[in-house]
Amino acid sequence: GAGVSQSPSNKVTEKGKDVELRCDPISGHTALYWYRQSLGQGLEFLIYFQGNSAPDKSGLPSDRFSAERTGGSVSTLTIQRTQQEDSAVYLCASSSRQGFNEKLFFGSGTQLSVL
Amino acid sequence: AQSVSQHNHHVILSEAASLELGCNYSYGGTVNLFWYVQYPGQHLQLLLKYFSGDPLVKGIKGFEAEFIKSKFSFNLRKPSVQWSDTAEYFCAVNAGRDDKIIFGKGTRLHILP
Repeated sequence: GAGVSQSPSNKVTEKGKDVELRCDPISGHTALYWYRQSLGQGLEFLIYFQGNSAPDKSGLPSDRFSAERTGGSVSTLTIQRTQQEDSAVYLCASSSRQGFNEKLFFGSGTQLSVL
Repeated sequence: AQSVSQHNHHVILSEAASLELGCNYSYGGTVNLFWYVQYPGQHLQLLLKYFSGDPLVKGIKGFEAEFIKSKFSFNLRKPSVQWSDTAEYFCAVNAGRDDKIIFGKGTRLHILP
């Protein structure tokens, strides 16, 4: 596709359930980020994949959060045993990282609501 | 680790007023600096960026930002705002080409017509 695609666009779940959020970056982009956006907290960094390097997981808030990127393309963010404080918009972004082009292209996000 | 601080959480201006949004970062080495904007109902998009060279960078829609290394600042400016500038603005930093990009908490700008 022409842009970063995220699914689902909305997810409502019950506290304690696991959820999976998907990100399909722009073809050929080697860098992929997950951020969490919530009111008053801005864009909170979660995890960063760059090519074949080990991902930077320093932003994951707890061990309930994990992410993987298969084949250098699609990424899945998994939240286990969801809590109400996990409710937020989860944004994915990708960039080409060529010629110091740090321009991030963002998806439209997944609105997660934990009841 | 680098971090970004945006001082103004919510700014309200009238059309034609001048704008300056503050951004400070904490990192002792070479940095790349960015401003992103999120218009209502739209994706985040790049407004401007600084990598090296002239510390005064110009972006889209008449925005500019000045990198002042001694102050660890990268403030965003626009001489005369328009109603269409109503949006949320995010300052961001990374410490090198292969480093993650960290964002500030954002500033909500509301322009009165």
